[in-house]
Amino acid sequence: QVQLVQSGAEVKKPGASVKVSCKASGYDFLGFYIQWVRQAPGQGLEWMGWMDPKSGDTNYLQKFQGRVSMTRDTSVNTAYMELTSLTSDDTAFYYCARGVHYHDYWGQGTLVTVSS
Amino acid sequence: DIQLTQSPSSLSASVGDRVTITCRASQGIHTYLVWYQQKPGNVPRLLIYATSVLRSGVPSRFRGSGSGTDFTLTISSLQPEDVATYYCQQYDSDPRTFGQGTKVEIK
Repeated sequence: QVQLVQSGAEVKKPGASVKVSCKASGYDFLGFYIQWVRQAPGQGLEWMGWMDPKSGDTNYLQKFQGRVSMTRDTSVNTAYMELTSLTSDDTAFYYCARGVHYHDYWGQGTLVTVSS
Repeated sequence: DIQLTQSPSSLSASVGDRVTITCRASQGIHTYLVWYQQKPGNVPRLLIYATSVLRSGVPSRFRGSGSGTDFTLTISSLQPEDVATYYCQQYDSDPRTFGQGTKVEIK
């Protein structure tokens, strides 16, 4: 069955970086884009960007340009999202999701807490 | 960027009621609209894609419609398990914006 399993919760200090992993199984990893979506506590969903695992092409929301990097390791069917220069505003659940147009499978979410 | 505005932001209805949520796009998005359901403490779940195509396994009481700039999610007979926040998202163009969400509760 299709699964996206994300890495565990992180606590980071302001100014630090975080790298969240998303391991895919049960389908052809190269055949489906991976999107990243975040959700601050009690807030709505915010699309961050997508990555094509086959080519490595990416597209990021402009507000994250220069601060986010979406990569993959095809040898282990895993996508990564790294966010740098963290502030308290980055405290959120981060989700990976499969699909270029609509997201039929989601990871379980990774809570990133930014606190001094 | 395309803005999606959902209304209402929240609603309370009785079991068995017909519930309608609207999603208005700031410019035309053809039928490139998706609806997600997010129950409290859970991951978002795909309900409908391409405006009106029900994902396999989603109850038939959910229906999506619309085109261009105006879209609707209808729950024909609200059930207790439908308590959730519903989000629309467009995939006509990047960035793939979400609506702000509509919280549905039982009266």
